[in-house]
Amino acid sequence: QKEVEQNSGPLSVPEGAIASLNCTYSDRGSQSFFWYRQYSGKSPELIMFIYSNGDKEDGRFTAQLNKASQYVSLLIRDSQPSDSATYLCAVNRGNYQLIWGAGTKLIIKP
Amino acid sequence: DTAVSQTPKYLVTQMGNDKSIKCEQNLGHDTMYWYKQDSKKFLKIMFSYNNKELIINETVPNRFSPKSPDKAHLNLHINSLELGDSAVYFCASSRSGWGDTEAFFGQGTRLTVV
Repeated sequence: QKEVEQNSGPLSVPEGAIASLNCTYSDRGSQSFFWYRQYSGKSPELIMFIYSNGDKEDGRFTAQLNKASQYVSLLIRDSQPSDSATYLCAVNRGNYQLIWGAGTKLIIKP
Repeated sequence: DTAVSQTPKYLVTQMGNDKSIKCEQNLGHDTMYWYKQDSKKFLKIMFSYNNKELIINETVPNRFSPKSPDKAHLNLHINSLELGDSAVYFCASSRSGWGDTEAFFGQGTRLTVV
């Protein structure tokens, strides 16, 4: 079992709809959770981070964390073609490093 | 101004050669990293330095040697390059060495070994 798992996709979502990206992790001691976006040929950039159970909203993005079930998700409302990218989930176990998922490729269709 | 800059952006070289990738950050961060991203987009940490001290050294062939002359620079030297070393290498930095703060990435170095 991988430490951080994501569905590789591609996930195809119509423009204007909600895109839902999921990530599960294996270490119950994980403390902080990050979503990065990576456009093709570019470097990852942070979208959101979340530390506590529940929802955290930032504009069109909502991160959801459920530590009991060991999953973290990212919702993108009113999806735009510019949201098309690979979304990377990263989990910190409090030991100096992030553990990364392999990413989910998201395609927003006009 | 570029926050994390790495050079070169592209590197094509023959097997057996030795090459270096340079990285500099102007964010005042204490921690810097080298990541390898393979063709499947999986990001794997290689090394991490906090205030010039090595704090993470993952299972990486000893042909790879990081050097941090000061906390703003972390260079990666690779000896005897192999075909399997072909990947994109990212340098990154963060304020905290605990992995609990945002990591800022350089633009990546696409290494192709032929």
